[in-house]
Amino acid sequence: SQKIEQNSEALNIQEGKTATLTCNYTNYSPAYLQWYRQDPGRGPVFLLLIRENEKEKRKERLKVTFDTTLKQSLFHITASQPADSATYLCAPSGGGSQGNLIFGKGTKLSVKP
Amino acid sequence: NAGVTQTPKFRVLKTGQSMTLLCAQDMNHEYMYWYRQDPGMGLRLIHYSVGEGTTAKGEVPDGYNVSRLKKQNFLLGLESAAPSQTSVYFCASKQTVMNTEAFFGQGTRLTVV
Repeated sequence: SQKIEQNSEALNIQEGKTATLTCNYTNYSPAYLQWYRQDPGRGPVFLLLIRENEKEKRKERLKVTFDTTLKQSLFHITASQPADSATYLCAPSGGGSQGNLIFGKGTKLSVKP
Repeated sequence: NAGVTQTPKFRVLKTGQSMTLLCAQDMNHEYMYWYRQDPGMGLRLIHYSVGEGTTAKGEVPDGYNVSRLKKQNFLLGLESAAPSQTSVYFCASKQTVMNTEAFFGQGTRLTVV
């Protein structure tokens, strides 16, 4: 069955540093991969999407990479701020069951001032 | 434009009672999803629908039923609630095009006592 692993449940970093979150998947070949942010008590909000034929995608301080050989995506937040503290979820999608959308457990990022 | 709206926001049920959670979207999306989120377990897909009149099982479908009689609504039913179904439930919707994001509702906090 499809399996998605996000490197750690929690990541603590100092303000101004770069946060790097990892998403690994097994047993399927997604056509694209999405990253979402979830704040406590709220639904996830979409951040970035990267296609299988794209190596890297950027949006402001966010950067996502997608390595289909390693079956891995890295999510970077540069110059991190306390406001970036949240749980980040990855969702490799497409390439399999039509419409199926499954998420990793998420990584809780805490940025300390 | 309301997006995705879940009703109710909170509910307390007694074991064995039944209830229906309503998800409504006004974006004309084909795909709709129901998830549950528990501490340490992340978002787990219960059921999903790829169009009006269709439903499919997700990762944790047992104990739940769904219906998609109208394109804009996706209902999640609990026929005989159990304490193990205490959770926060999220609904989401998206377009059929693969490289599009999902939009989430604000969540329903359900407690079964």
